[in-house]
This record gives sequence, C-alpha cells and structure tokens, in this order.
Amino acid sequence: DAGVTQSPTHLIKTRGQQVTLRCSPKSGHDTVSWYQQALGQGPQFIFQYYEEEERQRGNFPDRFSGHQFPNYSSELNVNALLLGDSALYLCASSLAGFSSELYGYTFGSGTRLTVV
Amino acid sequence: ILNVEQSPQSLHVQEGDSTNFTCSFPSSNFYALHWYRWETAKSPEALFVMTLNGDEKKKGRISATLNTKEGYSYLYIKGSQPEDSATYLCADSGGAGSYQLTFGKGTKLSVIP
Repeated sequence: DAGVTQSPTHLIKTRGQQVTLRCSPKSGHDTVSWYQQALGQGPQFIFQYYEEEERQRGNFPDRFSGHQFPNYSSELNVNALLLGDSALYLCASSLAGFSSELYGYTFGSGTRLTVV
Repeated sequence: ILNVEQSPQSLHVQEGDSTNFTCSFPSSNFYALHWYRWETAKSPEALFVMTLNGDEKKKGRISATLNTKEGYSYLYIKGSQPEDSATYLCADSGGAGSYQLTFGKGTKLSVIP
C-alpha cells in the first residue's frame, strides 16, 4: 500500500525563482495538507486542499499557492523565493470526514528545498 | 499557554531504561491532540490521536495520557530500545472545524545500546 509520495526529494533554487513541489496522497485519501518545517522548528501549516479547493490556510504569504487535481494529487508553488523559504516541505493526506481525528494524518517524507 | 510546547528538547537514555516526555497545549477550545514518531529520513508516523480528558492510549511499549483541563499530555516509553530513537512530535488540532495541526518542536530521543 503506497503511502504519501512527494517529489522531488531535494532541490536547490536561486533567490527570486519559482518552485513547484508535488504530492500524491495515500490511496483512498482525498485531502492534502502542506507543512513547512524550518530548521529547529516544528512543522507549520501552510494550507489544506479538499475537492480541488483551498479549505484552510495558515499564516503564509500569497507567494505560497497550491492546487489539487481531480485525482487528489497536489502541488505547492512558491514564487519569488527568499532565503528564508529554505526548509523541509511535508505533505500529509487524510480522508475527509473523520479519519484524521481517529487515525491521524499520513505524511510523506518531504522535499528539502534550499534557496541560495 | 498559547503555543504547543514540548520538553525536553532532547534526551539520551540507555537501552532498557523507561522514559517520558511532555507536551503542553492551550486548554481552551481543545479538540484533539496528536502524537507522531519521526525517524530520521523517514515520514512522521501517527502514534495516537487523543480527544477525551483522562484518555490513555497504548501501542506496544509506548503509551500516552491526556489532561485537557490543564493542557498537557505525557508520552511514556517502557524499556527503551535503539529502534525507539526518533523525534516525537505532538500537535494540537485546534477547535472543531479546524483542519490545521499546530506542532511543537519535538523531543529528540536517542537510545544508547
């Protein structure tokens, strides 16, 4: 049973560039959340997508945007990259309704973004 | 408490020792408390989701308790093994209708063989 897959695993970008990170949820899941983990911090909620729409957003600027496709996979886009965007980006999936309250979220292993 | 806080930040224990660590969270508007285990270079793995005051959950040698009135949860590991070495994260799920997890910074456990 494939869990959450994220791609790429690592990438390096230059300040000012744009980046797209991808996430495929666990089979049977329809909801995708994105988190940013900066060095020394806990993961911080960016947003959650359900039914191809952003359902809730954390405290991140508009440079962070996302998309969910009909097959439930998702992309995280970051424009005008700053050095401070260097972090591990985690994707988590769940089944809308109750599964996250009972079983928690299923996380991917993340994409390590380095901005130079 | 406004944020989710975990202590200690890190600890080293000998194989066979039992250990515990703490997660503190805002007690107002509580809905659920999640515990995750995160091994290096792997994905965070859900251990427990706790919702009721006084709740106690167990998974093998790992157990957790919850006090929603005072806003804390304890995670216990009995007879630590090297494979228990990981970062343990707790997260507050916010009030009902929130889809956001607010994480602490984690407790990094190293079990020395």
